[in-house]
Amino acid sequence: DQQVKQNSPSLSVQEGRISILNCDYTNSMFDYFLWYKKYPAEGPTFLISISSIKDKNEDGRFTVFLNKSAKHLSLHIVPSQPGDSAVYFCAASRGNNNDMRFGAGTRLTVKP
Amino acid sequence: GAVVSQHPSWVICKSGTSVKIECRSLDFQATTMFWYRQFPKQSLMLMATSNEGSKATYEQGVEKDKFLINHASLTLSTLTVTSAHPEDSSFYICSARVQGGNSPLHFGNGTRLTVT
Repeated sequence: DQQVKQNSPSLSVQEGRISILNCDYTNSMFDYFLWYKKYPAEGPTFLISISSIKDKNEDGRFTVFLNKSAKHLSLHIVPSQPGDSAVYFCAASRGNNNDMRFGAGTRLTVKP
Repeated sequence: GAVVSQHPSWVICKSGTSVKIECRSLDFQATTMFWYRQFPKQSLMLMATSNEGSKATYEQGVEKDKFLINHASLTLSTLTVTSAHPEDSSFYICSARVQGGNSPLHFGNGTRLTVT
């Protein structure tokens, strides 16, 4: 039951350009969404989150957009840097429900 | 803040033996911790929710007798893989959440288990 989907397994962008990572979800009860970054053999690191009462949240080079009607969120990284190269997971949860569901991840490669 | 420490970071064991993985919240108390498993090139799959002082809640398809979870204190949860088999080889990651409304999960660095 894949409630959170990341349909692009990989993305390659040039340094300095914008990276856009996409995520779709099926459960309309989700109201809290997050993006995590993961390097090989390490645990995921929290990047940025957004609650369903907002449609945008910005933190430095990272911006998350939420489109509730489309059940879609995206992560924009601008400008992209080689150090951003990692696997990015989107995640979603419902209220104070501790159960958080993850997408399959998108491997971002930023080329110098 | 919100650091989760996981130990060991990697372990190799023989078939039939048991392996214990520890997950500690270093600077906060966690009444609930979560154990995930990640297969190569796949997503994080929730295995079980570990509750301090009570039994863990296992996801469908996860054998509770094989993956023993103990959450004896507010800062420590352990996952024991009993009678390990090669198909149990995987990357196991624990996480915890600082309580209080919506907040992100904080993850340990994971444990790479290889069963030979």
